[in-house]
Parts: sequence; structure tokens; C-alpha cells
Amino acid sequence: DAGVIQSPRHEVTEMGQEVTLRCKPISGHDYLFWYRQTMMRGLELLIYFNNNVPIDDSGMPEDRFSAKMPNASFSTLKIQPSEPRDSAVYFCASSLRGGEKLFFGSGTQLSVL
Amino acid sequence: AQKVTQAQTEISVVEKEDVTLDCVYETRDTTYYLFWYKQPPSGELVFLIRRNSFDEQNEISGRYSWNFQKSTSSFNFTITASQVVDSAVYFCALIGADSWGKLQFGAGTQVVVTP
Repeated sequence: DAGVIQSPRHEVTEMGQEVTLRCKPISGHDYLFWYRQTMMRGLELLIYFNNNVPIDDSGMPEDRFSAKMPNASFSTLKIQPSEPRDSAVYFCASSLRGGEKLFFGSGTQLSVL
Repeated sequence: AQKVTQAQTEISVVEKEDVTLDCVYETRDTTYYLFWYKQPPSGELVFLIRRNSFDEQNEISGRYSWNFQKSTSSFNFTITASQVVDSAVYFCALIGADSWGKLQFGAGTQVVVTP
């Protein structure tokens, strides 16, 4: 199994640009999560899906952030417009069922200049 | 509300010393799971252990051991005979039955092992 696959690994963009992060979860996993990691705030859950349906997006910082899961094998996290304070590592993770261990992707290092 | 507290920001040890990482949690759920993850300098998050709230047996895996005490809401992690490769940030985390998707992480403890 290839594990959770995220792309791109690194993204450098300018303030105001749209950024799209991509994630392919492990096949058969029912849950998909987006986390953000910063020095100041640590690991924060942004949103999670169960069977492609968003369950809790209370962690999404503001309307500039949106996430979709059009099918069981793909999810996107979009930031539009991006701001320098969005610079962070964004992790996607999946789990087989609720309460099970999460498998994390390698993360996307986002730098907004 | 759930909360995980890792009071130790950084621990520095010399190789072969033991190191214990503290984790204290808060939850109103009677059913919950506790986790430890490791984040080495390369940045990936590596699963170490998952423990359910009904199983207070301590666990040992090689040089790693975990001490779960419900009475003090603690789930501490010990690395015995530390090695340089153990240098990483270690996160304790919690999922409660009321919200199966919300894995709540602690702030992490940076472990530095020097030769």
C-alpha cells in the first residue's frame, strides 16, 4: 500500500494567489482529515470527512479555506486568497474507522510570501 | 471539551539514558482512545501506540513502554536506553467517543538525544 499521498510536497506562492493542496487517502479508509502544523499553534484539525461527507469543519480558520472530497480516493484543500499567515505544513491523514489510528501523508510545506 | 497537556517542551538526554514523556488528558467521554505519535526531523508523523480507555494494562514494545493511569488521567511514555535515532518530537493525542474524528493533539515534547 502506498500510504496517504499528498501533493505538492512544497508550495511557494505569493499573497493573494489561490493554493490547492491534494490528498489521496489509503484505499478503503472511511475517514479523511486535514491538519495544519505551525510552531505557534501545533497540530490543528481543520476538517474531517466520513465517507466523503464533511463532518466537522469547525477548525477551518475562515472562509478563505475550503475542502472537498468528491470521491473516496481524492480530497482537496483550497485557500483563496492566500495570506502569509497561512504558511504552515498541511497534513492529510486517513483512518479505517472512527477511533482508529490515523495514517498521515508526508505533508505539504506551504510558504506564502 | 477534550484537552491533552504535554508540559515538557524539550528534554535533552545523553545516549543510553532513559527518558519519560508526560501526557495528561481531559475528557468527559467514558470511551476514548489515547495515542502517541513520533515526528522525526524528516517531518512525517509516525504512529506508535493506541490505547483504549478500558485497558489500563501497561505496554512494552522493545525500548518503548507506556504507563496508562486513569486515576490520574495520564498516559506517559518511556524510552529506555535512548539512542540518537530517538531524537524527535513526540505527540500524545486523544479521541473521544463523542467525536470519533477529532484526534486532539498535545503540544508535543522535543526529545534530543546526544551521543
